[in-house]
Amino acid sequence: GQQLNQSPQSMFIQEGEDVSMNCTSSSIFNTWLWYKQDPGEGPVLLIALYKAGELTSNGRLTAQFGITRKDSFLNISASIPSDVGIYFCAGRNSGAGSYQLTFGKGTKLSVIP
Amino acid sequence: DSGVTQTPKHLITATGQRVTLRCSPRSGDLSVYWYQQSLDQGLQFLIHYYNGEERAKGNILERFSAQQFPDLHSELNLSSLELGDSALYFCASSVGQGTTEAFFGQGTRLTVV
Repeated sequence: GQQLNQSPQSMFIQEGEDVSMNCTSSSIFNTWLWYKQDPGEGPVLLIALYKAGELTSNGRLTAQFGITRKDSFLNISASIPSDVGIYFCAGRNSGAGSYQLTFGKGTKLSVIP
Repeated sequence: DSGVTQTPKHLITATGQRVTLRCSPRSGDLSVYWYQQSLDQGLQFLIHYYNGEERAKGNILERFSAQQFPDLHSELNLSSLELGDSALYFCASSVGQGTTEAFFGQGTRLTVV
């Protein structure tokens, strides 16, 4: 099936540092979403993007919908220990009336206090 | 708490067996989506139901089936289980068909031995 390329696969950062991760696709998406998953939990929606070029923030998190509609990035500023987890990007293309999300394989974030 | 309830949380069963996973969507949500999460494949879309009707199918095996009942809860049936079916199975729900603010349950961890 369709896959998103998400990078980096994992990262170790010092508390207080900024983090950046991104997703690219060979196909166009008309919606990009970013989720965070904690161990033993389901993914939790962080940010939703609906328009090419859109830049949206949620607290210390900022995400952008790429102009080409084939990429998106997520930035986390001033990381804290509770930012630890796996971050997933997801894209949706409503062609043919399908509403399912295509997920990246995740970026595992570790924060060193 | 996302409001989406999945049971059971853990399931261990033998190869060749059949299991049923249950999902209760958030109050008012008409759409239910099932996803499989394995270590090597990430989150893969299986199937989408809206108000009792199947709307889209993803990478769902023929041994797997699902349904959504009049009270909107959904069940995912997995039969003739194989070792490779071991994974986390997530249910997500959303208000409409096209809304992408899907909220995920905590998942059912299936282990096939």
